[in-house]
Amino acid sequence: AQSVTQLGSHVSVSEGALVLLRCNYSSSVPPYLFWYVQYPNQGLQLLLKYTSAATLVKGINGFEAEFKKSETSFHLTKPSAHMSDAAEYFCAVRRMDSSYKLIFGSGTRLLVRP
Amino acid sequence: KAGVTQTPRYLIKTRGQQVTLSCSPISGHRSVSWYQQTPGQGLQFLFEYFSETQRNKGNFPGRFSGRQFSNSRSEMNVSTLELGDSALYLCASSLALAGDEQYFGPGTRLTVT
Repeated sequence: AQSVTQLGSHVSVSEGALVLLRCNYSSSVPPYLFWYVQYPNQGLQLLLKYTSAATLVKGINGFEAEFKKSETSFHLTKPSAHMSDAAEYFCAVRRMDSSYKLIFGSGTRLLVRP
Repeated sequence: KAGVTQTPRYLIKTRGQQVTLSCSPISGHRSVSWYQQTPGQGLQFLFEYFSETQRNKGNFPGRFSGRQFSNSRSEMNVSTLELGDSALYLCASSLALAGDEQYFGPGTRLTVT
């Protein structure tokens, strides 16, 4: 069975500091991995995705993530946090087959301090 | 290109009633999935439709059902509403190609009183 674990339900950083949101996955087959962001009272917006091409994936708004098979990790990073990055972030996994069912992590709420 | 639209955005129902939520996918997208989001359970998969056929179903009771029409629009229905059904219901669409991502709508906030 596939699953993702997001370490830390809340992460607080200062504006301009590095953002690191952790995600570890479990999958018996090669997975597709995604990071989504959710702002209050809105749906989910895709930040980036890994689909077995380059292991370092660049997304929107300056975010990137690195797929590390040996560590079963797909951590999300951004070199310099901005106040507008404050939101909830979800890591998700799905199988490389015909199903589009996403399994989501529990989410990490990012707080950005001025 | 217009995004995924969901109607209504907000809904208040009473226990025991039923409700129908609607989702219009991005033009050209053939796959539609539904998710329930609650503070306690997080984001949980409800069902997935492709070409009017249900391809996957999550672990929800039979009170939750859905369908997809020939134009890819989808509806989900919840019968005999319970307080615990209060949630944000999210619809997502995709082209249904290998590696394709899902695009989410803004959700329907259902409150059951």
